[in-house]
Amino acid sequence: DQQVKQNSPSLSVQEGRISILNCDYTNSMFDYFLWYKKYPAEGPTFLISISSIKDKNEDGRFTVFLNKSAKHLSLHIVPSQPGDSAVYFCAASVSSGTYKYIFGTGTRLKVLA
Amino acid sequence: ETGVTQSPTHLIKTRGQQVTLRCSSQSGHNTVSWYQQALGQGPQFIFQYYREEENGRGNFPPRFSGLQFPNYSSELNVNALELDDSALYLCASSEQGARGYTFGSGTRLTVV
Repeated sequence: DQQVKQNSPSLSVQEGRISILNCDYTNSMFDYFLWYKKYPAEGPTFLISISSIKDKNEDGRFTVFLNKSAKHLSLHIVPSQPGDSAVYFCAASVSSGTYKYIFGTGTRLKVLA
Repeated sequence: ETGVTQSPTHLIKTRGQQVTLRCSSQSGHNTVSWYQQALGQGPQFIFQYYREEENGRGNFPPRFSGLQFPNYSSELNVNALELDDSALYLCASSEQGARGYTFGSGTRLTVV
């Protein structure tokens, strides 16, 4: 049972345009969400997070939107840069003593120069 | 500030053998989590350690075990290796109660 789904395995975007990466979840108990970026041969690096009490969080070129009723979140990257080319994972957790994250399968973003 | 370091980076083992993977936490981090990432999948939570005790476990059999040491470094042990254990094993450290992790680069385990 895949509780966190990223239905687009890959996405190509022109440099300077907006990249939109999507993520759906099924567990309504999830109350904290993160996006990680992963380059080949490196571990995932934290990008941005959002709590379920918010519907938007912004950090520079990166914005995460959360739609709790649709159980959907998205990551917007504006403007996209070639260095953004990587695999992006969304992850979700339930607040508890153990912050155990459920990850999606990832979306490979390619930003074309 | 040093990040999370894992060793070895690559490893090949034979089915039925045992393996130990090692992780040094980022300075100041007292919680360590281990994840398994199979090819084409997202990382899956194995377990977490805090103050040298297991503090949560995912859906992995008992042959996956771990240790955390007083300096917060950690080991992941896998007994009776199976072909499906071939994966990238990621260690992540954090401060207790912190929501975000710092991941290491992982150990690529191949079981033949």
